[in-house]
Amino acid sequence: EPEVTQTPSHQVTQMGQEVILRCVPISNHLYFYWYRQILGQKVEFLVSFYNNEISEKSEIFDDQFSVERPDGSNFTLKIRSTKLEDSAMYFCASSPGYLPYTFGSGTRLTVV
Amino acid sequence: AQKITQTQPGMFVQEKEAVTLDCTYDTSDQSYGLFWYKQPSSGEMIFLIYQGSYDEQNATEGRYSLNFQKARKSANLVISASQLGDSAMYFCAMREASSAYNQGGKLIFGQGTELSVKP
Repeated sequence: EPEVTQTPSHQVTQMGQEVILRCVPISNHLYFYWYRQILGQKVEFLVSFYNNEISEKSEIFDDQFSVERPDGSNFTLKIRSTKLEDSAMYFCASSPGYLPYTFGSGTRLTVV
Repeated sequence: AQKITQTQPGMFVQEKEAVTLDCTYDTSDQSYGLFWYKQPSSGEMIFLIYQGSYDEQNATEGRYSLNFQKARKSANLVISASQLGDSAMYFCAMREASSAYNQGGKLIFGQGTELSVKP
């Protein structure tokens, strides 16, 4: 069964450093998403990406965040200058437009 | 604004018994989708079941069924014959329709219910 692949599974970074979280969505999917889940809390939408541009973003997705689909297969989330409160599980998801949404297994980001 | 509410932070069920996890939602959209995901302790999000707002029959997937009561705006998940492996966090989510073709659209999640299955 096709999977959404996320790397790395865990990342520890110093506050103020830039991090790039990587995702390989399912190849025939058209819509791509990033969500985050702070420990013990609900899953929150960050951004959706369609047709090589951001289609929607949440209030959380400020200027510190950016997304790219650099080579037609990878989908990346960059956090320019990490803060302690960016520590969370980050999920990539993809969808063909209709069902289903398939989530990756997540990247656990720890900012120290 | 769309909202999902899961009022049960934690639930216990005896192995082999059935359990219902509650979910209510609020939306002004006529067309929407409701999802349930399972999140085991390993952290991944596993899709369980989907119900479209225009689906007349309740969705079923194996031991999972969705008790959809549109007038009450509830979409409760029923797990029959609980197994130890069902112990996990369960999230209810709603998809907003982002276009006239109901494609794409972000998911809005509830707070989750932690289910513990006792042997």
